[in-house]
Amino acid sequence: AQSVAQPEDQVNVAEGNPLTVKCTYSVSGNPYLFWYVQYPNRGLQFLLKYITGDNLVKGSYGFEAEFNKSQTSFHLKKPSALVSDSALYFCAVRDIDSGAGSYQLTFGKGTKLSVIP
Amino acid sequence: GAGVSQSPRYKVTKRGQDVALRCDPISGHVSLYWYRQALGQGPEFLTYFNYEAQQDKSGLPNDRFSAERPEGSISTLTIQRTEQRDSAMYRCASSLGTGGQGNSPLHFGNGTRLTVT
Repeated sequence: AQSVAQPEDQVNVAEGNPLTVKCTYSVSGNPYLFWYVQYPNRGLQFLLKYITGDNLVKGSYGFEAEFNKSQTSFHLKKPSALVSDSALYFCAVRDIDSGAGSYQLTFGKGTKLSVIP
Repeated sequence: GAGVSQSPRYKVTKRGQDVALRCDPISGHVSLYWYRQALGQGPEFLTYFNYEAQQDKSGLPNDRFSAERPEGSISTLTIQRTEQRDSAMYRCASSLGTGGQGNSPLHFGNGTRLTVT
């Protein structure tokens, strides 16, 4: 079975400061990892993904995430937070070596990011 | 181009009634997914279509839930004899690749908020 943990329900950061939203995962095989963002009354929007290759992946709106296989983590980062980054962030995993897991995306509970002006 | 469209946006129904939720995926997207998202939780997998074929319905909670995608485009999720515990946000997503191509990100609609009274 595959699972995702987002240990923080909420993260508060001052505008202009770096931000980190944590994610750890569990799969029996190899993971594909994703970050999605959800703004109020909107659907989830894809931010970035890790498939293979460079452990540091860059995505939309200046976000990046680092894949760490030994720590089974995929933390989302941004060097300088904007007030407009305030939203709900979801980490998700696919186990590409598992039959159903290869297409089933398993999400974490989400982390609410608040960027304070 | 248009994104994933879901209707209705909100649905309030009385316990025992049947409801049908519609999803119009992005044109040309092969795969279609239904997810359910409870308040404060991440989306949970319900079912998955590859073209018109329902490849996996293991996430459907019970036999009151069914889904179809008869022409490989628009999909309908039907809940019969609704119960209060069915109240949630129902999200549809589509992706360009088939489910086995696990690196294709999902594109989500804005969801249907179902309230069963």
